[in-house]
Amino acid sequence: DAGVIQSPRHEVTEMGQEVTLRCKPISGHDYLFWYRQTMMRGLELLIYFNNNVPIDDSGMPEDRFSAKMPNASFSTLKIQPSEPRDSAVYFCASGDLTEAFFGQGTRLTVV
Amino acid sequence: AQKITQTQPGMFVQEKEAVTLDCTYDTSDQSYGLFWYKQPSSGEMIFLIYQGSYDEQNATEGRYSLNFQKARKSANLVISASQLGDSAMYFCAMREGQRGNKLVFGAGTILRVKS
Repeated sequence: DAGVIQSPRHEVTEMGQEVTLRCKPISGHDYLFWYRQTMMRGLELLIYFNNNVPIDDSGMPEDRFSAKMPNASFSTLKIQPSEPRDSAVYFCASGDLTEAFFGQGTRLTVV
Repeated sequence: AQKITQTQPGMFVQEKEAVTLDCTYDTSDQSYGLFWYKQPSSGEMIFLIYQGSYDEQNATEGRYSLNFQKARKSANLVISASQLGDSAMYFCAMREGQRGNKLVFGAGTILRVKS
């Protein structure tokens, strides 16, 4: 398995634009997590899924953020409209009860 | 309340020596798991080791071992024979079985290995 695959690796967008981050988890993993990492706030859990079902989205900062997992091999995190304070590294991770592997992350810059 | 506490913002260790990175956790669950990750300056998150709450033996993976003290609610990472490449940020994380296995992280500890 190629591991957790995120795209794009880097994204620069203008304030107000829609941004979509993509994640392909490791096959067979039941859990998928979306995190945001900033210097100020560290690693924040935004939302996670179990068997494609969202379990807890209490970390999603605002209604501008949404996430979907239409099937076991794909998830998206969307920000609409984007704002400069959304600039961060966004990680997707997949796992089961005893392991969780991260993708390479998407570095988002909103100008 | 913080679920995961890493009290050491930064640590130094001499090359080839062992180092312990502290992690304490807060849970009332009986079934939970503890994870450690390494994040080098390149930014990727590398999974190092896992300890389940029912595991009687401390987990080990190569030079990494987890010193699990359940009664004290601590899960310290021990790195033996430190190498320059061990310089990185280290994160402790926990999942709680009765809370849907949400995986939450501590603030991290920066480790610098000196030659």
